[in-house]
Amino acid sequence: SQKIEQNSEALNIQEGKTATLTCNYTNYSPAYLQWYRQDPGRGPVFLLLIRENEKEKRKERLKVTFDTTLKQSLFHITASQPADSATYLCALLPGSSNTGKLIFGQGTTLQVKP
Amino acid sequence: NAGVTQTPKFQVLKTGQSMTLQCAQDMNHNSMYWYRQDPGMGLRLIYYSASEGTTDKGEVPNGYNVSRLNKREFSLRLESAAPSQTSVYFCASSARRGPIAGNTIYFGEGSWLTVV
Repeated sequence: SQKIEQNSEALNIQEGKTATLTCNYTNYSPAYLQWYRQDPGRGPVFLLLIRENEKEKRKERLKVTFDTTLKQSLFHITASQPADSATYLCALLPGSSNTGKLIFGQGTTLQVKP
Repeated sequence: NAGVTQTPKFQVLKTGQSMTLQCAQDMNHNSMYWYRQDPGMGLRLIYYSASEGTTDKGEVPNGYNVSRLNKREFSLRLESAAPSQTSVYFCASSARRGPIAGNTIYFGEGSWLTVV
């Protein structure tokens, strides 16, 4: 069956450290993968997109990698801050899709402690 | 710039009652979506509309109907609410569909629905 999985356990790290979140998928051939941030009581907000032919993408303190052999994307936040505390969702577009319908993971909650 | 606006924010329904969640976007987007979010389940697509006048079922369409009233508005109707429909509902929109476009989705703030 097709699955997209994120670590359901919360990730707790100290301020200033690098946070690394994982997104694994099975039985998909994604055209691209996206990462969203969701704060409590709010809707998700788009952060980054990485395409199937890209290995790495950066935006300020954020970095995303995409390994189609491992079927995995890693999301890194360097020099993390308490304000980075949120739930982070990964989403992929199946390569066979022409409708734009994204498939979302369940999200990983990040807690950055001062 | 409001983005995606959905109403109501909170609603309590009795089993068997009906209601409509309203959604509007002001970004001139073609595609609109309704998702539900449940603990441990992530966001699941209920219905999707690629353009005005078209709708398509998502992963969990049973018990719901939708209407794409015009390019701006996409409503979600629960005809006979059930406790299993207790959830947070998100409306969303995107400019285009398909992998080439890099389809970024813009979400509303959510509607908390409880069915008792």
